[in-house]
Amino acid sequence: QVQLQESGPGLVKPSETLSLTCTVSGGSISSFYWSWIRQPAGKGLEWIGRIYTSGTIHYNPSLKSRVTMSVDTSNKQASLKLTSVTAADTAVYYCARVPADPARYFYYMDVWGKGTTVTVSS
Amino acid sequence: QSALTQPPSASGSPGQSVTISCTGTNSDVGGYNYVSWYQQHPGRAPKLMIYDVSKRPSGVPDRFSGSKSGNTASLTVSGLQADDEANYYCASYAGVTFVVFGGGTKLTVL
Repeated sequence: QVQLQESGPGLVKPSETLSLTCTVSGGSISSFYWSWIRQPAGKGLEWIGRIYTSGTIHYNPSLKSRVTMSVDTSNKQASLKLTSVTAADTAVYYCARVPADPARYFYYMDVWGKGTTVTVSS
Repeated sequence: QSALTQPPSASGSPGQSVTISCTGTNSDVGGYNYVSWYQQHPGRAPKLMIYDVSKRPSGVPDRFSGSKSGNTASLTVSGLQADDEANYYCASYAGVTFVVFGGGTKLTVL
C-alpha cells in the first residue's frame, strides 16, 4: 500500500525559502502526478501545484512566482520550494498522489501524506 | 475567500441523510465533470470520498454519493454514522486556475 511522508524544517524565517520533501514508499513514483496542498490552522485547503514524473508542472497562479517543484524518481521523492515566505505561508503542507493516464487527465488526489507543519517566524 | 462556496456547517441524526452543496461557476464546477470530495477528521489528512462528480474510490461506502446540477455539486451522506462527523471539502478543476477547493463544511452527527 503506497504511503507518502512529508519532511522538512518545521520553522522557517520570514523572507527565507521553505523546502519540503515527499517520500513515496510501497508503490511506484512513476506515472503519477505529485501534488502539494496546504492548510493554515483552522482553515481550508489550498492547492499549490503538481508535477508529473516526466517533469510536466502545473502551479497555482497565485503562488507561481514563488514555487518550484521537482521530482527525483531514483529516490522516489517529490520536492517543494517556496521562496520569500511570510507568516501567511504558515500551514500544514500535504503531498498527495494524482493518477495519470495517456487517455485522459485526472484532477483528484487519491493518496495523501499525513502532512507536515511549517511555521514562518523569526 | 475560497473559490467554491460550501455551507460552513451541516448536521443530521444517526441514520438520516444529509446533503452538502458546493457552488462554483461555469469556469469550474459547471464547466467540467471533475468535482471531487474529501473527508477530513480533526488532525488527520484529507481522504478522497468522491471523484469525477459521482465515482466512489474502492473502500468508500456506498452511503456516500455525489451529483452535480449546473454550477452546484452535492455530496450526500446516507445512513449517517458517528464516524461521518468530519469536515468535508469539495474541489474542482478550474481551467487556468487548475484546482480550486471549497471552504469546507463541518458535518455534525447529532
